[in-house]
Amino acid sequence: AQTVTQSQPEMSVQEAETVTLSCTYDTSESDYYLFWYKQPPSRQMILVIRQEAYKQQNATENRFSVNFQKAAKSFSLKISDSQLGDAAMYFCAYRPGSYQLTFGKGTKLSVIP
Amino acid sequence: SQTIHQWPATLVQPVGSPLSLECTVEGTSNPNLYWYRQAAGRGLQLLFYSVGIGQISSEVPQNLSASRPQDRQFILSSKKLLLSDSGFYLCAWDRGREQFFGPGTRLTVL
Repeated sequence: AQTVTQSQPEMSVQEAETVTLSCTYDTSESDYYLFWYKQPPSRQMILVIRQEAYKQQNATENRFSVNFQKAAKSFSLKISDSQLGDAAMYFCAYRPGSYQLTFGKGTKLSVIP
Repeated sequence: SQTIHQWPATLVQPVGSPLSLECTVEGTSNPNLYWYRQAAGRGLQLLFYSVGIGQISSEVPQNLSASRPQDRQFILSSKKLLLSDSGFYLCAWDRGREQFFGPGTRLTVL
């Protein structure tokens, strides 16, 4: 069974600084997708960034970027120039070719003004 | 653009009462539809998914059921709620890659 592990239950960052959230996953598949979702206090899940496993280039979306290490099965999220609105739960998720999305337990990010 | 709606946003129900949560998607056709439950401070647990009208797959055995009467409508039901059914319920859709989530329903069973 696939598992997704987020080893940092909570993280904090100073406003305007950079923070990295960790995620590792376990799979025997060679083709899959990885995602980071953000869940603010409103609790709506918002897609932050997507990475296809066949792509070597790390995905980037504005201030958000990933460090995808396929051999190490690692998928970390870097948030640059942190803003107060970045405070939220962040979930790493894995999806092979099936319908099921497997989520990690989340990392709560606090942004200190 | 595609949008996904859920209602109600909040629901408080007594133990043993029935449940009906509705999810609708606009702006797309033939979506895959999903129901998730999230307990407080936890990740998401997939409950049901559907790849078409009348086609429902259950991931977790429980006293909940799902139906898909129309292409873009997904309903989560229960005949008799349990205390353990309390939680945050999220509906999601996709066309095969990333999933997009609705605003969720917070259910409290007393």
